[in-house]
Order: sequence, then structure tokens, then C-alpha cells
Amino acid sequence: NAGVTQTPKFQVLKTGQSMTLQCAQDMNHEYMSWYRQDPGMGLRLIHYSVGAGITDQGEVPNGYNVSRSTTEDFPLRLLSAAPSQTSVYFCASSPTQGSSGNTIYFGEGSWLTVV
Amino acid sequence: GQQLNQSPQSMFIQEGEDVSMNCTSSSIFNTWLWYKQEPGEGPVLLIALYKAGELTSNGRLTAQFGITRKDSFLNISASIPSDVGIYFCAGQLVGNTPLVFGKGTRLSVIA
Repeated sequence: NAGVTQTPKFQVLKTGQSMTLQCAQDMNHEYMSWYRQDPGMGLRLIHYSVGAGITDQGEVPNGYNVSRSTTEDFPLRLLSAAPSQTSVYFCASSPTQGSSGNTIYFGEGSWLTVV
Repeated sequence: GQQLNQSPQSMFIQEGEDVSMNCTSSSIFNTWLWYKQEPGEGPVLLIALYKAGELTSNGRLTAQFGITRKDSFLNISASIPSDVGIYFCAGQLVGNTPLVFGKGTRLSVIA
């Protein structure tokens, strides 16, 4: 998984707590995104960003906030964690969102449990 | 949102057998990607397809971009134990849109 770093790897939260999942890439990619993966559901897009200062909602954005102040970083914030947010979270980056030849590089994942 | 129908959901095969899985959509895609995910790791790109009818191989893996642009398949020949994992298809609609993922095919190989 070239150049996409996610932290933490594992986290347990209590309902109502807040936390931030960090994502950083060193490939100067414009496009970054966050997915969650649940059993039998595949990967679902939470939020994405096509460049610094620009973010947009994906398929399942409720309960999550993002910001993109730099090209390198794209943190995902849970303001008030709920058990339904127990999942595996993947950050991904790519050179651009829609160009031919586009490939996405994934981080190694963050396992989040909300009790 | 857009959905990809990936099948089968899971497969149990004997080592040495060939494997075939596919994805279909009601929408036209301009890119199809196939990923493999091993336990505790993120998805890793196996094959990328960019043209209708394109047939691309990566070792024992072969994938094709359907002529209608609404489907793609992945074949694995002569399976080995290290092929175990979850295989995802992903498609990109015509235009500048995020990828859409299938729900995955979980492959188990019995030695």
C-alpha cells in the first residue's frame, strides 16, 4: 500500500465519544476518500475530496465530518460515536478522480469498535 | 446510489481448480477494477480495465471489460492456497465520479 498511512490501526470508543481517524499520503495525489467496510456490504464511500479545500459527501456521510486543509492529509471525524459506526475504515488516494488510468491506493485500514 | 452486483458471494474450491467471478451493473462504466483483500489489510489492485472488450492478464488472473460496458469478469486459473481472500470489483461511471464497489466474493481454497 504505497504511501497511504492511516492511524490508529485499532480503536475502541464509548458511545457518544468523539475521535479522528488520520490519513496521510505522500504521493501528491489530488483525490482522497474514506470508505467503510461492513460484512456483506463491500466498501461504501463516506466522504471524498478532489483537492485541498474541497470535500463532498459519498454514499454514507451521516455521522462523519471531513476537512482537507492540505493535499497530504484527509482526517475523518466522528463527533458522537454510535454502535452503528463499528466498522473497518479505509482511506484511499489517487492522482485524480476521473482520469483514464486512474488507480486508487488504499491504506491498511482502521478497525473501530463503538461500545 | 449506484450498485454493482457481484457474484458469487463466496466460493469453496479445491486447489488447482479454476475460478470465475463477475460483476454486473445497470449503468455503463468507463473503468472496471478488480481488487483483492487479505485478512487485516486494505484492498490491493489486481487488474484495471479501461476499454470495452479489453481482456487483460496478470499472471494466473484474467479479467475482461464487457462489450456492453455493464459487466466484467475475473478468472483465476489453477488456484493455490494463497489465492484465499475477498475479491472486489469496482467500477467508475462515465464522467468524473467516485468508484462504486461490489460487495465482494470470498474465496476459500482447500488444499
